Amino acid sequence: DIQMTQSPSSLSASVGDRVTITCRASQGISNYLAWYQQKPGKVPKLLIYAASTLQSGVPSRFSGSGSGTDFTLTISSLQPEDVATYYCQKYNSAPPYTFGQGTKVEIK
Amino acid sequence: EVQLVESGGGLVQPGGSLRLSCAASGFTFSSYWMHWVRQAPGKGLVWVSRINSDGSSTSYADSVKGRFTISRDNAKNTLYLQMNSLRAEDTAVYYCARGGRIAAAALDYWGQGTLVTVSS
Repeated sequence: DIQMTQSPSSLSASVGDRVTITCRASQGISNYLAWYQQKPGKVPKLLIYAASTLQSGVPSRFSGSGSGTDFTLTISSLQPEDVATYYCQKYNSAPPYTFGQGTKVEIK
Repeated sequence: EVQLVESGGGLVQPGGSLRLSCAASGFTFSSYWMHWVRQAPGKGLVWVSRINSDGSSTSYADSVKGRFTISRDNAKNTLYLQMNSLRAEDTAVYYCARGGRIAAAALDYWGQGTLVTVSS
């Protein structure tokens, strides 16, 4: 099975900072990569699919890039409402649809 | 508006069974792959199972294979997860989530989740 590894596992940054989260797949998955945001006590929300396509309604400060095995989620200017745990997930048609272990983002 | 509403969670003893339901509305349920994802208390998201649009194809995580069965009733717009031989490590919030019209699609809508607690 393909493993998904996120780094870092947590980070603390100031409001307005640029934040980057990395997700690495153990085998190539083309661009079948999604990013989800889960705020404390809330349901996960799809942010980005196809590695770089922003889901409707998601603020433009979020962006994604990558293909193959290495992917990044970037928040260009961190806002207080971005405090959450972020997960990557691979969804190429071969199951399992593995999630990364999550990255917890906090405000410094 | 797309809505997914899970039900059926609760407290069950180890070795017991439980059936979760997910009532869907606001979209053409019979056209979409559907998934179950779980999250143990304080832990990350774990994909559990998926089913194709007509129910003819299913897949499972290794941790639940042979114990859980996913199914759907397109006439009732409802997704199910039959969970047998439950273990303490199955304790989690279980979410149903909508996939796409094809297998390779992200999960764009999620239910609010239902808590399953396996304990004696």
